[in-house]
Amino acid sequence: EVQLVESGGGLVQPGRSLRLSCAASGFTFEDYAMHWVRQAPGKGLEWVSGISWTNGNIGYADSVKGRFTISRDNAKSSLFLQMNSLRTEDTAFYYCANSRAWGQGTLVTVSS
Amino acid sequence: EIVLTQSPATLSLSPGERATLSCRASQSVSSYLAWYQQRPGQAPRLLIYDASNRATGIPARFSGSGSGTDFTLTISSLEPEDFAVYYCQQRSDWPPLTFGGGTKVEIK
Repeated sequence: EVQLVESGGGLVQPGRSLRLSCAASGFTFEDYAMHWVRQAPGKGLEWVSGISWTNGNIGYADSVKGRFTISRDNAKSSLFLQMNSLRTEDTAFYYCANSRAWGQGTLVTVSS
Repeated sequence: EIVLTQSPATLSLSPGERATLSCRASQSVSSYLAWYQQRPGQAPRLLIYDASNRATGIPARFSGSGSGTDFTLTISSLEPEDFAVYYCQQRSDWPPLTFGGGTKVEIK
């Protein structure tokens, strides 16, 4: 069974950092580009960042560029998102996704 | 950036009826289009990938068609659990991956 399980969310103050992780199983992780997508409460889906299977293509939404860093460890079938200088508008559910599956999400709340 | 436009914004139908949802891309995405269902309080669920392929465990009443710029998600006979919001998403050209604004299928 294909599974993506996110972790690392929580309550954090503005300006602080958080690192999200996504553990993949049930498929050949290194064969797929991986993405982070977020959804603020009551809003639509917003792509945050993506990384190709070779790390050759990495991209960020303008809203997080310079603050967030995506990375992957193919040997451990894991995806990461380092989030620095967090803002209140970064509050959302964060989902790990590829073209075949989505995780259940982890909630990030940025508030003082 | 490829813009995806979904229509209608809201679809009011009764259980057992056929639902037809549209997604139009601002430029060709070939067949690299997916459809997701999101029920209230739940994560998005992949229904269709690469325009017409049902994801694992998705009932046969869900079907996708189209290529290039025009795509359709059809639910042949609505079940009570199908009333939800549906999103399309392209992966043809990223960054960025882009999503449509969603179609809400509500009970008439």
